[in-house]
Amino acid sequence: AQSVTQLDSHVSVSEGTPVLLRCNYSSSYSPSLFWYVQHPNKGLQLLLKYTSAATLVKGINGFEAEFKKSETSFHLTKPSAHMSDAAEYFCVVTDTGFQKLVFGTGTRLLVSP
Amino acid sequence: DVKVTQSSRYLVKRTGEKVFLECVQDMDHENMFWYRQDPGLGLRLIYFSYDVKMKEKGDIPEGYSVSREKKERFSLILESASTNQTSMYLCASSLLGSGSNYEQYFGPGTRLTVT
Repeated sequence: AQSVTQLDSHVSVSEGTPVLLRCNYSSSYSPSLFWYVQHPNKGLQLLLKYTSAATLVKGINGFEAEFKKSETSFHLTKPSAHMSDAAEYFCVVTDTGFQKLVFGTGTRLLVSP
Repeated sequence: DVKVTQSSRYLVKRTGEKVFLECVQDMDHENMFWYRQDPGLGLRLIYFSYDVKMKEKGDIPEGYSVSREKKERFSLILESASTNQTSMYLCASSLLGSGSNYEQYFGPGTRLTVT
């Protein structure tokens, strides 16, 4: 079965410093991978997606992620955090058959002034 | 613009009540999903539908049922609500396809409290 592990439940950064949210996946085939963001009391919004094209994927709001097959990782980065980035982030992998998604347990990003 | 709407943002029900959560999408998507979200557990799939009147159990279907009579509407039913069903419920939809079509679009969620 496919799975994702988000290595940190909480990450705290200061505004203007880099963000790194870590994700490792397990899959028996070449999956599609996503990062979703959830702001307080809101639904989930797609941040970016990897679907076997370029391994470095750019998303919205300055976020990007790099697919590394040898490390089975798909870490999310941003060069400079903004207060509005404070939210919960989910790393997601496609399940067998590709119609369903498997979610990680989430990383809460805290941004301090 | 893509839109998934859920009938209520907040709902409070009593133990034993029958509860209906409604979800509507306007994107002509084949797939629709119901998840529950609990702190520290991420999103867990309850049920999935890939066509009208078709459904498939997800990871945690116990205590829930679903109905899909029209393509745009997917209902989650709690036959007899219990306190352990207090949670955030999220509906999503996606195209039946491959590659980037696996992206799911989410509604705003319904926070259900069972007392």
